[in-house]
Amino acid sequence: SQQGEEDPQALSIQEGENATMNCSYKTSINNLQWYRQNSGRGLVHLILIRSNEREKHSGRLRVTLDTSKKSSSLLITASRAADTASYFCATDAIHSGYALNFGKGTSLLVTP
Amino acid sequence: NAGVTQTPKFQVLKTGQSMTLQCAQDMNHEYMSWYRQDPGMGLRLIHYSVGAGITDQGEVPNGYNVSRSTTEDFPLRLLSAAPSQTSVYFCASGSGGGVIYNEQFFGPGTRLTVL
Repeated sequence: SQQGEEDPQALSIQEGENATMNCSYKTSINNLQWYRQNSGRGLVHLILIRSNEREKHSGRLRVTLDTSKKSSSLLITASRAADTASYFCATDAIHSGYALNFGKGTSLLVTP
Repeated sequence: NAGVTQTPKFQVLKTGQSMTLQCAQDMNHEYMSWYRQDPGMGLRLIHYSVGAGITDQGEVPNGYNVSRSTTEDFPLRLLSAAPSQTSVYFCASGSGGGVIYNEQFFGPGTRLTVL
């Protein structure tokens, strides 16, 4: 499996604080994506960063990618209670066939 | 657009029974896939398809069959249900596949319990 590994497994912060989640992967990739899953729901795409990009922004989200370290980070600024969810990174490895693999996720709790 | 739809939402089976989980998308996506999600295990890829008539195995294919006769539909068949197949199943679709994957759209999931 070419799964990414998110870190930390769980994160608890207060509203207004920033939340940072990390993802590490094993082999060279084409893209890395981040998804959010609210409890009992399907996953929702947040942002995609290609292997030749180093940083990408979308609203309060900032994603970085360091291909030399095989790692990515997702920063959520000024967190809100509605950001409470699980966050997953997903990678499509260059040499492992036609598959998109997900990590085990980071569970984020934002308290008012 | 309805996006990705899955039926049923909930299902209870007895060990040894068979059933088909349905998945359909109306976005003309080439790539479709099935995942199972178990507590603490994240999403694990069962089978995927890069186009009609083309399917391949993912990380955990045993006990499951798929076919892709049309672009829109990608059913997942459980041949002889086992308690280890108790899980939440998600279907996803997206453009690309084979080389580059773009945003994937997920269905709402099917919660399956095998007794």
